[in-house]
Amino acid sequence: AQTVTQSQPEMSVQEAETVTLSCTYDTSESDYYLFWYKQPPSRQMILVIRQEAYKQQNATENRFSVNFQKAAKSFSLKISDSQLGDAAMYFCAYRSLGTGNQFYFGTGTSLTVIP
Amino acid sequence: KAGVTQTPRYLIKTRGQQVTLSCSPISGHRSVSWYQQTPGQGLQFLFEYFSETQRNKGNFPGRFSGRQFSNSRSEMNVSTLELGDSALYLCASSLGPVAKNIQYFGAGTRLSVL
Repeated sequence: AQTVTQSQPEMSVQEAETVTLSCTYDTSESDYYLFWYKQPPSRQMILVIRQEAYKQQNATENRFSVNFQKAAKSFSLKISDSQLGDAAMYFCAYRSLGTGNQFYFGTGTSLTVIP
Repeated sequence: KAGVTQTPRYLIKTRGQQVTLSCSPISGHRSVSWYQQTPGQGLQFLFEYFSETQRNKGNFPGRFSGRQFSNSRSEMNVSTLELGDSALYLCASSLGPVAKNIQYFGAGTRLSVL
């Protein structure tokens, strides 16, 4: 079964600075999707960014970008110009393209933004 | 467009009881997935429904069941509640079960079992 590992339970960043959240995964598949979701105190999970494994180019969404290293099975999230509203729990997730393509989530990284 | 709606937001039950949670997907979405979120285990997949059929099931005991109605609304039922069932239960909807479809999550139902 696929596993997703987030080795940083907690991270903090100064407002306006840059922070990188780490994620590694284990799979024998060649095609899959990777996601970063954000869960603020309101509890609603919000999609931050999505990466298709067959695409070499790293995905970006405004201040959010990923460093996708397929061979290393690494998928880190970089948040630039951090804002107070970025404070939340961040989850890395994997989803295969095959049948039974359920999501596998990491255990999350709690991000604190210091004013 | 309204988001994914889960009711109720909070629920308190005692051991041995059963509970039903409800999820209304985004209009037009036909796939609904359920997850259990606990501090120790993180987010774990329960099951996914598409067009009223269960497509996939996670590794949970048979006490956990679900169904989907013709309007895509879904319910999840947990029978004979145990203390360990205390968790945040999240529902997510998407256009369909294809992996590329983005899942949109509801705010969850917080279940406390006493």
